[in-house]
Amino acid sequence: DSGVTQTPKHLITATGQRVTLRCSPRSGDLSVYWYQQSLDQGLQFLIQYYNGEERAKGNILERFSAQQFPDLHSELNLSSLELGDSALYFCASSTSGTRGETQYFGPGTRLLVL
Amino acid sequence: GENVEQHPSTLSVQEGDSAVIKCTYSDSASNYFPWYKQELGKRPQLIIDIRSNVGEKKDQRIAVTLNKTAKHFSLHITETQPEDSAVYFCAANPTGANNLFFGTGTRLTVIP
Repeated sequence: DSGVTQTPKHLITATGQRVTLRCSPRSGDLSVYWYQQSLDQGLQFLIQYYNGEERAKGNILERFSAQQFPDLHSELNLSSLELGDSALYFCASSTSGTRGETQYFGPGTRLLVL
Repeated sequence: GENVEQHPSTLSVQEGDSAVIKCTYSDSASNYFPWYKQELGKRPQLIIDIRSNVGEKKDQRIAVTLNKTAKHFSLHITETQPEDSAVYFCAANPTGANNLFFGTGTRLTVIP
């Protein structure tokens, strides 16, 4: 157990809908990262937050957004869902979000868009 | 941005044999190279990492080597066991980025 928690474990929804994925980092970690894992794209970085502020952005679609709250938990919002958004979404956390820091992954949320 | 290539995509070995997975990276300023193991449907778990100021690191049956000149790093697993069967991902942390760039994964199967 990495100490990173994610909810829900599974999510099934329809195209066009909106969902929210939640992540709580390890105790003491200030930085949260979101990654998408699909069969054909591998693990792709989406976005990073540090202490409530956006720090880095990767291949995140405009339909997707995220935030980190004062209690440091983070939410990833996915809207206007398409079939291709079906994937495993992982959250990872690290202490201060600096380069070269170990990232610990949560158990992931499996999203299925029908 | 950084580009990490990983080979092979699948690897089958007999129990007790060694397994080697290789990765190359493009950003010469990358300085942190973790390896993650992912079992089916589970989270990626860090198994070993290496930083650019060392050439080799060992942890029991697992070792990682880094060649900065050639920009490649490798994972070595000795005396493989069936529980080593999983997908292994290499990653690199390039200049100016805090996130990881992952290789495409190697599915390792250890045959009892």
